[in-house]
Amino acid sequence: EVQLVESGGGLVQPGGSLRLSCAASGFTVSSNYMSWVRQAPGKGLEWVSVIYSGGSTYYADSVKGRFTISRDNSKNTLYLQMNSLRAEDTAVYYCARGELEPDPFDYWGQGTLVTVSS
Amino acid sequence: SYVLTQPPSVSVAPGKTARITCGGNNIGSKSVHWYQQKPGQAPVLVIYYDSDRPSGIPERFSGSNSGNTATLTISRVEAGDEADYYCQVWDSSSDPWVFGGGTKLTVL
Repeated sequence: EVQLVESGGGLVQPGGSLRLSCAASGFTVSSNYMSWVRQAPGKGLEWVSVIYSGGSTYYADSVKGRFTISRDNSKNTLYLQMNSLRAEDTAVYYCARGELEPDPFDYWGQGTLVTVSS
Repeated sequence: SYVLTQPPSVSVAPGKTARITCGGNNIGSKSVHWYQQKPGQAPVLVIYYDSDRPSGIPERFSGSNSGNTATLTISRVEAGDEADYYCQVWDSSSDPWVFGGGTKLTVL
């Protein structure tokens, strides 16, 4: 059974850093593409970043230069390193899986809340 | 970047048909996916590649895509269909993944 479990969210001050993790089971992270999608309170879904099976990474303009997506194949885990956090980064962050672009996100985690506030 | 436009809300009576649109420049040339999200839950894929249904999704859910508009159609709407619905495309020329703004479906 495919499962994605995010962790690492919490309260952080503006300008701070946080690393989110997404532990995968039931499939191999490196064999699929993996994305982070966020949802600000009361707002819609916003794609944040993707890492393809070949290792290529892409970012939304809103996070480019501040966020880094990576994976640890030995731990079958996806990460999102978030630096220089801003109030507008406050959101629930979901990790999601797809088989091969442009396949859809067929499995999603339950999400982890990141709150950026002083 | 590529922009997808959805109506903020759609209302429908139980048993009727709901149609949720997703507009984009020549969206008919792209593959559109649709997600359902209920309050406090993660999104769930309901339609992929314009009109395919994942296993477990009722046949009441269908999709189409042509020209500048993709449409998610929900037939014989039930109270349990009340949710937010998002369209999504993959665009190789800009941000790889783009979501529409979402449509709140209200069952009257």
